Amino acid sequence: SAVISQKPSRDICQRGTSLTIQCQVDSQVTMMFWYRQQPGQSLTLIATANQGSEATYESGFVIDKFPISRPNLTFSTLTVSNMSPEDSSIYLCSETTGRTEAFFGQGTRLTVV
Amino acid sequence: AQSVAQPEDQVNVAEGNPLTVKCTYSVSGNPYLFWYVQYPNRGLQFLLKYITGDNLVKGSYGFEAEFNKSQTSFHLKKPSALVSDSALYFCAVGTSYNTDKLIFGTGTRLQVFP
Repeated sequence: SAVISQKPSRDICQRGTSLTIQCQVDSQVTMMFWYRQQPGQSLTLIATANQGSEATYESGFVIDKFPISRPNLTFSTLTVSNMSPEDSSIYLCSETTGRTEAFFGQGTRLTVV
Repeated sequence: AQSVAQPEDQVNVAEGNPLTVKCTYSVSGNPYLFWYVQYPNRGLQFLLKYITGDNLVKGSYGFEAEFNKSQTSFHLKKPSALVSDSALYFCAVGTSYNTDKLIFGTGTRLQVFP
């Protein structure tokens, strides 16, 4: 099973600033995913991060707001840009090969004040 | 479009009693179904999956789930609940056409009372 280290585990940020979240996987994986879990809600896929190509964003999410990097097969970052209180959520990264179970990082609890 | 429904926001059960957490799905191809559990301030932990084969799937911590194609359901069950099972449970689905994306249900909070 894959182990995903995600950091920071939590942060409190001022509105208008940006936060970069990092995910490190202990093995090489083709695809990584970033999810948002708003308070009391389910997980919503933000984007799929492929190594060597641009991330693929889901409807309602744009690269300017959530730029993603995937410099190699074990690492990815998600930046939450120009934050507002509505961005307060838990952000999770995961890796999966689809037919096998997805493994998740511990999540980043973001509070924007 | 793929979708997953968890009709119950919360399920309450007494310790020692059987528990069921419901999940129904809608996909255009063969479904790949998963259950995850989320404890407070923790990430998601995998419980079990159905890809193909036996309709009854056994997973971690004594949980099992039954895939019912005619009812498009994948309910999570446990014969005897523990207080430590209290957590948030998510059902998720992928399809054979897009196996790398997971669509999650809204989650069901399980509360087991001593």
